[in-house]
Amino acid sequence: DIQMTQSPSSLSASVGDRVTITCRASQTISTYLNWYQQKPGKAPKLLIYAASTLQSGVPSRFSGSGSGTDFTLTIISLQPEDFATYYCQQSYNKITFGQGTTLEIK
Amino acid sequence: QVQLQESGPGLVKPSQTLSLTCTVSGGSISSGAHYWSWFRQFPGKDLEWIAYIYKTGSTDYKPSLQSLVTISVDTSRNQFSLKLNSVTAADSAVYYCARGVEGIVDAFDVWGQGTVVTVS
Repeated sequence: DIQMTQSPSSLSASVGDRVTITCRASQTISTYLNWYQQKPGKAPKLLIYAASTLQSGVPSRFSGSGSGTDFTLTIISLQPEDFATYYCQQSYNKITFGQGTTLEIK
Repeated sequence: QVQLQESGPGLVKPSQTLSLTCTVSGGSISSGAHYWSWFRQFPGKDLEWIAYIYKTGSTDYKPSLQSLVTISVDTSRNQFSLKLNSVTAADSAVYYCARGVEGIVDAFDVWGQGTVVTVS
Protein backbone atom coordinates (compact mmCIF):
# COMPACT_ATOMS: atom_id res chain seq x y z
CA ASP A 1 0.00 0.00 0.00
CA ILE A 2 1.03 3.58 -0.57
CA GLN A 3 1.27 5.27 2.83
CA MET A 4 -0.05 8.80 3.18
CA THR A 5 1.25 10.93 6.04
CA GLN A 6 -0.43 14.17 6.98
CA SER A 7 1.02 16.94 9.11
CA PRO A 8 0.22 18.29 11.50
CA SER A 9 -2.17 15.79 13.10
CA SER A 10 -3.96 18.68 14.75
CA LEU A 11 -3.89 22.41 14.34
CA SER A 12 -5.39 25.33 16.25
CA ALA A 13 -6.28 28.48 14.37
CA SER A 14 -8.56 31.47 14.52
CA VAL A 15 -11.30 32.71 12.23
CA GLY A 16 -9.66 34.69 9.46
CA ASP A 17 -6.35 32.82 9.61
CA ARG A 18 -4.62 31.12 6.72
CA VAL A 19 -3.75 27.48 7.30
CA THR A 20 -1.81 24.88 5.38
CA ILE A 21 -2.03 21.12 5.77
CA THR A 22 0.52 18.89 4.14
CA CYS A 23 0.28 15.35 2.87
CA ARG A 24 3.25 13.21 1.87
CA ALA A 25 3.06 9.97 -0.09
CA SER A 26 5.45 7.08 0.48
CA GLN A 27 6.11 6.98 -3.28
CA THR A 28 5.37 9.21 -6.21
CA ILE A 29 1.66 9.48 -7.04
CA SER A 30 1.77 12.18 -9.76
CA THR A 31 -1.33 14.28 -9.03
CA TYR A 32 -3.60 11.41 -8.00
CA LEU A 33 -4.47 13.16 -4.75
CA ASN A 34 -7.82 14.22 -3.35
CA TRP A 35 -8.77 16.17 -0.22
CA TYR A 36 -11.85 15.69 1.94
CA GLN A 37 -13.40 17.53 4.87
CA GLN A 38 -15.27 15.66 7.56
CA LYS A 39 -17.35 17.02 10.40
CA PRO A 40 -18.36 14.96 13.47
CA GLY A 41 -21.05 12.41 12.69
CA LYS A 42 -21.01 13.22 8.97
CA ALA A 43 -19.61 11.60 5.88
CA PRO A 44 -16.48 12.99 4.21
CA LYS A 45 -17.01 15.80 1.71
CA LEU A 46 -14.86 16.07 -1.40
CA LEU A 47 -13.07 19.40 -1.58
CA ILE A 48 -10.34 19.00 -4.17
CA TYR A 49 -9.45 16.27 -6.67
CA ALA A 50 -6.47 15.70 -8.91
CA ALA A 51 -4.39 17.66 -6.41
CA SER A 52 -5.66 21.10 -7.39
CA THR A 53 -9.13 20.96 -8.98
CA LEU A 54 -11.79 22.50 -6.79
CA GLN A 55 -14.91 20.38 -6.55
CA SER A 56 -18.08 22.13 -7.68
CA GLY A 57 -19.68 24.16 -4.90
CA VAL A 58 -16.58 24.31 -2.69
CA PRO A 59 -15.60 27.85 -1.68
CA SER A 60 -12.59 29.33 -3.42
CA ARG A 61 -10.81 29.90 -0.11
CA PHE A 62 -9.81 26.24 -0.40
CA SER A 63 -6.93 25.37 -2.71
CA GLY A 64 -4.65 22.44 -3.31
CA SER A 65 -1.23 22.06 -4.83
CA GLY A 66 1.59 19.61 -5.30
CA SER A 67 2.68 16.65 -7.35
CA GLY A 68 4.89 13.63 -6.92
CA THR A 69 5.06 12.98 -3.20
CA ASP A 70 4.29 16.31 -1.51
CA PHE A 71 0.94 18.05 -1.46
CA THR A 72 -0.71 20.90 0.41
CA LEU A 73 -4.23 22.01 1.22
CA THR A 74 -4.50 25.70 1.96
CA ILE A 75 -7.46 27.49 3.45
CA ILE A 76 -7.32 31.27 3.39
CA SER A 77 -9.49 33.38 5.69
CA LEU A 78 -10.81 30.56 7.87
CA GLN A 79 -14.53 30.57 8.46
CA PRO A 80 -16.31 29.04 11.48
CA GLU A 81 -17.66 26.21 9.33
CA ASP A 82 -14.13 25.19 8.29
CA PHE A 83 -13.24 23.72 11.66
CA ALA A 84 -13.28 20.01 10.92
CA THR A 85 -11.01 17.08 10.11
CA TYR A 86 -9.27 16.96 6.74
CA TYR A 87 -8.07 13.85 4.94
CA CYS A 88 -5.91 13.37 1.89
CA GLN A 89 -6.51 10.34 -0.33
CA GLN A 90 -4.30 8.90 -3.06
CA SER A 91 -5.59 6.96 -6.04
CA TYR A 92 -2.39 6.25 -7.94
CA ASN A 93 -2.36 2.66 -6.76
CA LYS A 94 -5.64 1.51 -5.27
CA ILE A 95 -6.96 3.98 -2.68
CA THR A 96 -5.50 4.95 0.69
CA PHE A 97 -6.06 7.85 3.05
CA GLY A 98 -3.93 9.93 5.33
CA GLN A 99 -4.60 9.74 9.06
CA GLY A 100 -6.38 13.07 9.13
CA THR A 101 -5.68 16.58 10.41
CA THR A 102 -8.07 18.06 12.94
CA LEU A 103 -8.47 21.82 12.63
CA GLU A 104 -9.64 23.32 15.91
CA ILE A 105 -10.63 26.79 16.97
CA LYS A 106 -7.95 28.60 18.95
CA GLN B 1 -29.84 15.46 -6.48
CA VAL B 2 -28.41 12.00 -6.05
CA GLN B 3 -28.59 10.54 -2.55
CA LEU B 4 -27.18 7.32 -1.16
CA GLN B 5 -28.50 5.34 1.77
CA GLU B 6 -26.80 2.39 3.43
CA SER B 7 -28.82 -0.40 5.00
CA GLY B 8 -28.00 -3.59 6.81
CA PRO B 9 -27.65 -5.11 10.26
CA GLY B 10 -26.00 -3.04 12.93
CA LEU B 11 -24.78 -6.08 14.82
CA VAL B 12 -23.04 -9.09 13.35
CA LYS B 13 -21.59 -12.08 15.16
CA PRO B 14 -17.92 -13.00 14.72
CA SER B 15 -17.21 -15.37 11.81
CA GLN B 16 -20.50 -14.46 10.11
CA THR B 17 -21.00 -12.55 6.86
CA LEU B 18 -21.74 -8.83 6.89
CA SER B 19 -24.14 -7.79 4.13
CA LEU B 20 -24.80 -4.13 3.34
CA THR B 21 -26.81 -2.48 0.60
CA CYS B 22 -26.59 1.03 -0.77
CA THR B 23 -29.73 2.40 -2.37
CA VAL B 24 -29.29 5.22 -4.87
CA SER B 25 -32.08 7.76 -5.26
CA GLY B 26 -32.41 10.86 -7.41
CA GLY B 27 -30.45 9.28 -10.23
CA SER B 28 -29.70 5.99 -11.92
CA ILE B 29 -26.71 3.78 -11.32
CA SER B 30 -26.88 2.97 -15.02
CA SER B 31 -26.53 6.55 -16.21
CA GLY B 32 -23.31 8.44 -16.48
CA ALA B 33 -19.78 7.19 -15.90
CA HIS B 34 -19.68 6.78 -12.13
CA TYR B 35 -17.94 4.25 -9.98
CA TRP B 36 -19.76 3.10 -6.85
CA SER B 37 -17.74 2.35 -3.77
CA TRP B 38 -17.69 1.15 -0.18
CA PHE B 39 -15.54 2.63 2.56
CA ARG B 40 -15.32 2.19 6.28
CA GLN B 41 -14.15 4.36 9.15
CA PHE B 42 -12.80 2.80 12.30
CA PRO B 43 -13.43 4.14 15.81
CA GLY B 44 -10.00 5.78 15.77
CA LYS B 45 -11.19 7.73 12.67
CA ASP B 46 -8.97 6.04 10.08
CA LEU B 47 -10.69 5.79 6.71
CA GLU B 48 -10.34 2.68 4.57
CA TRP B 49 -11.46 2.00 1.02
CA ILE B 50 -12.93 -1.47 0.56
CA ALA B 51 -14.05 -1.86 -3.07
CA TYR B 52 -15.73 -0.22 -6.03
CA ILE B 53 -17.86 -1.33 -8.92
CA TYR B 54 -18.91 0.13 -12.27
CA LYS B 55 -22.37 -0.23 -13.80
CA THR B 56 -21.00 -2.92 -16.12
CA GLY B 57 -19.99 -5.04 -13.14
CA SER B 58 -16.29 -4.27 -13.37
CA THR B 59 -14.80 -4.30 -9.86
CA ASP B 60 -11.69 -3.50 -7.86
CA TYR B 61 -10.85 -4.41 -4.29
CA LYS B 62 -8.45 -3.44 -1.52
CA PRO B 63 -5.86 -6.20 -1.86
CA SER B 64 -5.84 -7.20 1.81
CA LEU B 65 -9.63 -7.65 1.77
CA GLN B 66 -10.08 -9.13 -1.70
CA SER B 67 -10.44 -12.71 -0.52
CA LEU B 68 -13.15 -11.76 1.96
CA VAL B 69 -15.20 -9.17 0.09
CA THR B 70 -17.69 -9.19 -2.75
CA ILE B 71 -19.22 -6.07 -4.27
CA SER B 72 -22.15 -6.34 -6.64
CA VAL B 73 -24.60 -4.09 -8.43
CA ASP B 74 -28.30 -4.48 -9.16
CA THR B 75 -29.18 -1.84 -11.72
CA SER B 76 -32.85 -2.88 -11.74
CA ARG B 77 -33.13 -1.97 -8.06
CA ASN B 78 -30.66 0.93 -8.33
CA GLN B 79 -28.59 -0.62 -5.57
CA PHE B 80 -25.14 -1.92 -4.98
CA SER B 81 -24.07 -4.21 -2.20
CA LEU B 82 -21.16 -5.39 -0.10
CA LYS B 83 -20.56 -8.77 1.48
CA LEU B 84 -17.71 -9.22 3.95
CA ASN B 85 -17.05 -12.77 5.06
CA SER B 86 -15.66 -14.10 8.33
CA VAL B 87 -15.95 -10.84 10.24
CA THR B 88 -14.05 -10.18 13.44
CA ALA B 89 -14.20 -7.39 16.00
CA ALA B 90 -11.66 -5.52 13.89
CA ASP B 91 -14.36 -5.07 11.24
CA SER B 92 -16.46 -2.92 13.59
CA ALA B 93 -16.71 0.46 11.91
CA VAL B 94 -18.97 2.98 10.24
CA TYR B 95 -19.55 1.77 6.69
CA TYR B 96 -20.14 4.32 3.93
CA CYS B 97 -21.19 3.94 0.33
CA ALA B 98 -20.15 6.64 -2.13
CA ARG B 99 -20.32 7.69 -5.78
CA GLY B 100 -17.30 8.48 -7.85
CA VAL B 101 -17.01 11.76 -9.68
CA GLU B 102 -18.15 11.19 -13.27
CA GLY B 103 -15.27 10.09 -15.40
CA ILE B 104 -12.92 9.99 -12.41
CA VAL B 105 -12.72 6.56 -10.93
CA ASP B 106 -11.24 7.45 -7.63
CA ALA B 107 -12.59 10.70 -6.21
CA PHE B 108 -15.93 10.45 -4.46
CA ASP B 109 -18.39 13.30 -4.39
CA VAL B 110 -21.63 11.85 -2.99
CA TRP B 111 -21.68 9.78 0.19
CA GLY B 112 -24.28 8.05 2.24
CA GLN B 113 -24.74 9.02 5.85
CA GLY B 114 -22.98 5.88 7.04
CA THR B 115 -24.15 2.88 9.00
CA VAL B 116 -22.58 1.64 12.21
CA VAL B 117 -21.63 -2.01 12.24
CA THR B 118 -20.55 -3.75 15.42
CA VAL B 119 -19.12 -7.25 15.40
CA SER B 120 -19.82 -8.92 18.72
